[in-house]
Amino acid sequence: SQQGEEDPQALSIQEGENATMNCSYKTSINNLQWYRQNSGRGLVHLILIRSNEREKHSGRLRVTLDTSKKSSSLLITASRAADTASYFCATGPFTQGGSEKLVFGKGTKLTVNP
Amino acid sequence: SQTIHQWPATLVQPVGSPLSLECTVEGTSNPNLYWYRQAAGRGLQLLFYSVGIGQISSEVPQNLSASRPQDRQFILSSKKLLLSDSGFYLCAWSVSNRGRHTFGSGTRLTVV
Repeated sequence: SQQGEEDPQALSIQEGENATMNCSYKTSINNLQWYRQNSGRGLVHLILIRSNEREKHSGRLRVTLDTSKKSSSLLITASRAADTASYFCATGPFTQGGSEKLVFGKGTKLTVNP
Repeated sequence: SQTIHQWPATLVQPVGSPLSLECTVEGTSNPNLYWYRQAAGRGLQLLFYSVGIGQISSEVPQNLSASRPQDRQFILSSKKLLLSDSGFYLCAWSVSNRGRHTFGSGTRLTVV
């Protein structure tokens, strides 16, 4: 399977702490993306890291990619209660029939306690 | 700016009834369009994708079908719903060679 797997499945931390989520995948990729989903809502794109990049920052987000280990991590620094959501990694794009497909993991549910 | 509209937000349908979920995109041309389903507490399963009008690819055999009658309109349908069709349905679009998906707000379908 090409599916990414996030770890841990659930994470509960206190406001102000850092949250780290990991993603492992099985096949070669062009890029890896992280998405956020608030309960009952659509996914929102957070950050994309290309296969030739090792680290990327966006605000309080830091993403690393280790293609030799086929893994990525998402770090949220100084977490806030509003960061409570599920976070998904998506690998790809895998081109098939002219369309670019992403393969999503099952997500990490993050709870930030005030 | 590009926007994506998906409706309805929630839907409760009896077993055996038909289904039609609609998704429209504004502000872009010839997008790749996708339908995903998300079971409770699970990841996303790609159901259908489309690279152009009338071009539909199915990822998994199922009780559902998709159509793209216009460039920026994507419809998910069923003739007879099953209990197992319950879930959270998400529409998304992307621009070719970019990979990034933009998602609609989703439809919570409960088949009773």
